[in-house]
Parts: sequence; C-alpha cells; structure tokens
Amino acid sequence: NAGVTQTPKFQVLKTGQSMTLQCAQDMNHEYMSWYRQDPGMGLRLIHYSVGAGITDQGEVPNGYNVSRSTTEDFPLRLLSAAPSQTSVYFCASTDPVEADTQYFGPGTRLTVL
Amino acid sequence: AQSVTQPDIHITVSEGASLELRCNYSYGATPYLFWYVQSPGQGLQLLLKYFSGDTLVQGIKGFEAEFKRSQSSFNLRKPSVHWSDAAEYFCAVDTGRRALTFGSGTRLQVQP
Repeated sequence: NAGVTQTPKFQVLKTGQSMTLQCAQDMNHEYMSWYRQDPGMGLRLIHYSVGAGITDQGEVPNGYNVSRSTTEDFPLRLLSAAPSQTSVYFCASTDPVEADTQYFGPGTRLTVL
Repeated sequence: AQSVTQPDIHITVSEGASLELRCNYSYGATPYLFWYVQSPGQGLQLLLKYFSGDTLVQGIKGFEAEFKRSQSSFNLRKPSVHWSDAAEYFCAVDTGRRALTFGSGTRLQVQP
C-alpha cells in the first residue's frame, strides 16, 4: 500500500494563477480531508468528503474547491491563487474501523508570489 | 463549534526530565481525541488516540495521555524525555465528521 500520496511536493505560483493539488489513497477509505498548516496556527480543515460525490466545507474553505468523483482521489483546486494561500497543504484519509484514525500524506508546500 | 486549546506555545525541558503537554477541548459531547507529533519539515505521526474505555491511553515512543471528562482535557505525558522527542506536538479532536480540529501546537525543545 502506498497510503496517501500527494503531488506535487513543492509549487510556486503567481497571484491569480490556478492549480490543482492532487491527493490519492489506496486504502479504500470513504472519508478524506484537506488541511492547511501555517506557523502558529496548527492545521486547519479546508474541505472534507464522506464519500464519492459528497463534500463539505471545513473551517477555511474560501478560495478552494474540491470534488470527489472516485473513492481514491480528492483533488484540491485553487482557482485564483493569492499570497494568503501560501502554506503547506496536507491531505488525509480516515479509517473509521480504527477509531477514525487519519492517515496523512507527506504534504505540498505552496508559495504564491 | 468545537475547538482545541494548547495553552503552551513553547516548552523547554532537560533530557531525562518528565514532560506534560496540555490540551483542552470544547465540545458538547466526548469526541475522539488524538495526539500527533511533527518533526521539522516532516509530516504528522500519530502518537496515540482515545475513543472510549480506559481514560489512560498508551502510545508509541513511551508517551501516554489521560482523558479527563470533567476538565475536558487530554494531556500528553512522558516520564523521561529524550533529545529525539524535540518536535511540535498537536492535539486534535474528531467530533464525528471523520475530519480533525487541531490545536495550534506546542513546540518542545530538549536541553542536553
């Protein structure tokens, strides 16, 4: 099992550009989520999904879109990047059998100039 | 809405000393509770979790945590800290969304 994979590892964007952060898991977990990590603020939930076709907003959803067409994939889209979106992004999938243990990807470090 | 508070931003302990990191949560019921550790530039590693039963839970690397319902707390402890424990520690809760609410973290520094 590869677990949770994220691409790219690093990305630099200019203000106004769009991009998609990819996230995939091979554990057949229904639940997946996206977080951003900023210094002094811990990780904050952006969006989450409870299954294919179902997504919901977390605490900081503005500026981000998600979709979930398959169980395996949960991409995060930035439609028009802003410097405030400079952050490290983590994707996770949840195993409800293991008391909701979350498995995190390695992260994507995004810089918006 | 749920929230998690880690009141200590930064803690320094001597190697071999005991450690306690504080975590308080705000939620109407008892959530699932987690502690994660993150070394610089690395991802998150699960130390331990509580979902029911015995309120003292054991984790990896010699860590343990105690859930106290009356205080809405889930403090992390280790009897003897090693230099390799220097990292940032995050407390988190799951209130049923299968997604986590994190505290802002506590950075642990270990002095030789």
